[in-house]
Amino acid sequence: DAGVTQSPTHLIKTRGQQVTLRCSPKSGHDTVSWYQQALGQGPQFIFQYYEEEERQRGNFPDRFSGHQFPNYSSELNVNALLLGDSALYLCASSSTATDTQYFGPGTRLTVL
Amino acid sequence: GEDVEQSLFLSVREGDSSVINCTYTDSSSTYLYWYKQEPGAGLQLLTYIFSNMDMKQDQRLTVLLNKKDKHLSLRIADTQTGDSAIYFCALRSGGSYIPTFGRGTSLIVHP
Repeated sequence: DAGVTQSPTHLIKTRGQQVTLRCSPKSGHDTVSWYQQALGQGPQFIFQYYEEEERQRGNFPDRFSGHQFPNYSSELNVNALLLGDSALYLCASSSTATDTQYFGPGTRLTVL
Repeated sequence: GEDVEQSLFLSVREGDSSVINCTYTDSSSTYLYWYKQEPGAGLQLLTYIFSNMDMKQDQRLTVLLNKKDKHLSLRIADTQTGDSAIYFCALRSGGSYIPTFGRGTSLIVHP
């Protein structure tokens, strides 16, 4: 049973560019949440997708957007990258039965 | 919103027990989780407890919940070097889909 997978593992971008990160949820899960984790901090909630719609959003600017596909996989898009966007981006999946979140390995984004 | 506090560091000797503590402010927290994060990796769910429970044991892990003091702890028996990681406490109320995370406690296990 594959767990949550994310791609790519690492990414280097320059300021002003745009980036797309991808996540496939654990088998049987229908909900995907995205988090940003800066060095030395806990994960900060960006948004959650359920039934292909954004169900809840954290305190992040509109430069952060997402999508969920019919197979429950999801993308996180970040436009106009800033140096401060450098972080580990974590995807977590859950099912509506328990809402317990299981995390992927993360994508390390570096903005130069 | 919910505030979740953890001490930043804990150092223990191999073979000893480790106790990682977490305090929170929202008394409506219903689901309380412990996650482990190894360097460069994602978060691994270790265990969780419901607010109607006081204790849960799972092999070397024991979770204690004191609702009156809003205090959650994770005890790791016979701590091994492989337990060295950052441990996050996370809490979620029944009305929310999203847990709130603490900043994490870095557990260092030395020989």
